[in-house]
Amino acid sequence: DQQVKQNSPSLSVQEGRISILNCDYTNSMFDYFLWYKKYPAEGPTFLISISSIKDKNEDGRFTVFLNKSAKHLSLHIVPSQPGDSAVYFCAAFSGGYNKLIFGAGTRLAVHP
Amino acid sequence: DAGITQSPRHKVTETGTPVTLRCHQTENHRYMYWYRQDPGHGLRLIHYSYGVKDTDKGEVSDGYSVSRSKTEDFLLTLESATSSQTSVYFCAISEENTEAFFGQGTRLTVV
Repeated sequence: DQQVKQNSPSLSVQEGRISILNCDYTNSMFDYFLWYKKYPAEGPTFLISISSIKDKNEDGRFTVFLNKSAKHLSLHIVPSQPGDSAVYFCAAFSGGYNKLIFGAGTRLAVHP
Repeated sequence: DAGITQSPRHKVTETGTPVTLRCHQTENHRYMYWYRQDPGHGLRLIHYSYGVKDTDKGEVSDGYSVSRSKTEDFLLTLESATSSQTSVYFCAISEENTEAFFGQGTRLTVV
């Protein structure tokens, strides 16, 4: 039973445009959400997070939106750059003992 | 970069042999995690620890055991390796509801 779902395995975007990556979750106990970026042969690196008490968090070109009623979050990257090409993972902490669950990832390709 | 080291970085082992992967941190973080990454499955949680000697199962714990006798070390053991355990394994550390930092990964091949 996959509690964090990223239903789009891949996304292709033109340089300069907006990239929107989506994530759905099923567990209403999740209280903190994160996005990670991963390049081949490297460990995932943290991008941005959002607490369940907020609905938006911005950091430079990256904005995460949280819709608790829909159990949905999204990551917006604007403007997209070729260096953003990577696999993006959505993740969530399930309270208590800080259990951290990841989605299957979305591969973003930003082309010139 | 967070002080987190995985060893070994690469390992080839035979089916049926025991294998232990080590995760070492110098950050004194409370929480430690082991994940495996496979195509189409993303990062799946194997086991995690919320303190010394305190561990719990993740999504794919069958065939794996863990131990944490010190804050800084979290060991993942495959008691009898199988080909289905060929994967890239990642360790991560975190504090309460803050970002987790990942190691560089261990590529394990079971032949």
